[in-house]
Amino acid sequence: QVQLQESGPGLVKPSQTLSLTCTVSGGSISSRDHYWSWIRQLPGKGLEYIGYIYFSGRTLYNPSLRSRVIISLDTPKSQFSLKLSSVSAADTAVYYCAREGSYGRGADFWGQGTLVTVSS
Amino acid sequence: EIVLTQSPGTLSLSPGERATLSCRPSQSISRSFLVWYQQKPGQAPRLLIYGASSRATGIPDRFSGSGSGTDFTLTISRLEPEDFAVYYCQQYDTSPITFGQGTRLEIK
Repeated sequence: QVQLQESGPGLVKPSQTLSLTCTVSGGSISSRDHYWSWIRQLPGKGLEYIGYIYFSGRTLYNPSLRSRVIISLDTPKSQFSLKLSSVSAADTAVYYCAREGSYGRGADFWGQGTLVTVSS
Repeated sequence: EIVLTQSPGTLSLSPGERATLSCRPSQSISRSFLVWYQQKPGQAPRLLIYGASSRATGIPDRFSGSGSGTDFTLTISRLEPEDFAVYYCQQYDTSPITFGQGTRLEIK
């Protein structure tokens, strides 16, 4: 059974960089059949797609966040990471990592989510 | 950006009843790239349907999806107590990948 687990600081100061890591177990992060994504949920609100990374290193980012986002892959550690720079209170959200099937198949495995609060 | 409009915002039904949830993209999308999720409080979303009508692994057959173009529907044939949750649609047809705002299915 594939499992994903987010880790990282729960509190980030405004203007700093939010950094989260997702550790994948029970499946290969090098799989050509899957994409590894980050999705966030603002408090009491809906879902926002941040972006994905493919095993080759190819990424796709939400244009609204593209200037501030980097998603990277650490295959030996079976991890992928999210960096979001110049954060503000508007970036306070629950951040999820997820595994997606072939493009467009949806995310079939998710982490439990981690709340990141942006506050001084 | 493709906006997904879900309706109704809240649906109040009783166990055993049939639920019909709508997702309307602001422009036509390929049905291959329309997905439905269920989310319960404090939990991550759960994949229900991909390709507009294919059930994900382990999803009961009371859940079904249909539609094309600018009109998609998630139907729950007979509601079970565990089905009361928030439902989201998502499209992968055109970047940015977007979600609908959700439909809350509550017990009447």
